[in-house]
Amino acid sequence: GENVEQHPSTLSVQEGDSAVIKCTYSDSASNYFPWYKQELGKRPQLIIDIRSNVGEKKDQRIAVTLNKTAKHFSLHITETQPEDSAVYFCAATSGFQKLVFGTGTRLLVSP
Amino acid sequence: EAGVAQSPRYKIIEKRQSVAFWCNPISGHATLYWYQQILGQGPKLLIQFQNNGVVDDSQLPKDRFSAERLKGVDSTLKIQPAKLEDSAVYLCASSRWAEEQYFGPGTRLTVT
Repeated sequence: GENVEQHPSTLSVQEGDSAVIKCTYSDSASNYFPWYKQELGKRPQLIIDIRSNVGEKKDQRIAVTLNKTAKHFSLHITETQPEDSAVYFCAATSGFQKLVFGTGTRLLVSP
Repeated sequence: EAGVAQSPRYKIIEKRQSVAFWCNPISGHATLYWYQQILGQGPKLLIQFQNNGVVDDSQLPKDRFSAERLKGVDSTLKIQPAKLEDSAVYLCASSRWAEEQYFGPGTRLTVT
């Protein structure tokens, strides 16, 4: 089955810096890669996603890149703000509409 | 549109007791998922429904966990009897198509 690894587990940056979170997956059939943001005590919220026929997708300060050959994808956050502080999860599809999640990255943005 | 609804939000029970969680997905979403999220970990899929049929329950501990989705809308997840290691947040999610899943607020279960 699918296995998703996520790094780093924690990431501390200064406000205004960029943050990059990386994930690798094992199933070459995976074709959908979402990223979720989870604030403390709240539900995971979908912030951006990418499909296997696209190499990069951007939405304001957030971008995701996908390298199918290497089986890895990354989340890039530019001009970080304190409200970006949260746990971020990557995921990849496995089978019919099933997601396998990474272990999460705790991002802390200091003012 | 209204989001995924779950209840209760919190539940504290003693080990060996039973508990049930309820989920109402977003209207029109055929696929419903139950996840278990242990503190500090990512969500782990327990069971996936497509309408009222089970698509995947390979990680559901069937000796103690059960779930149903009658009429293809609401769903309930039950644990009987509960163990200490069942303490977690139980998340329900739904999707209409193309894997985009939307999560409910979760039920935080504490087993003492």
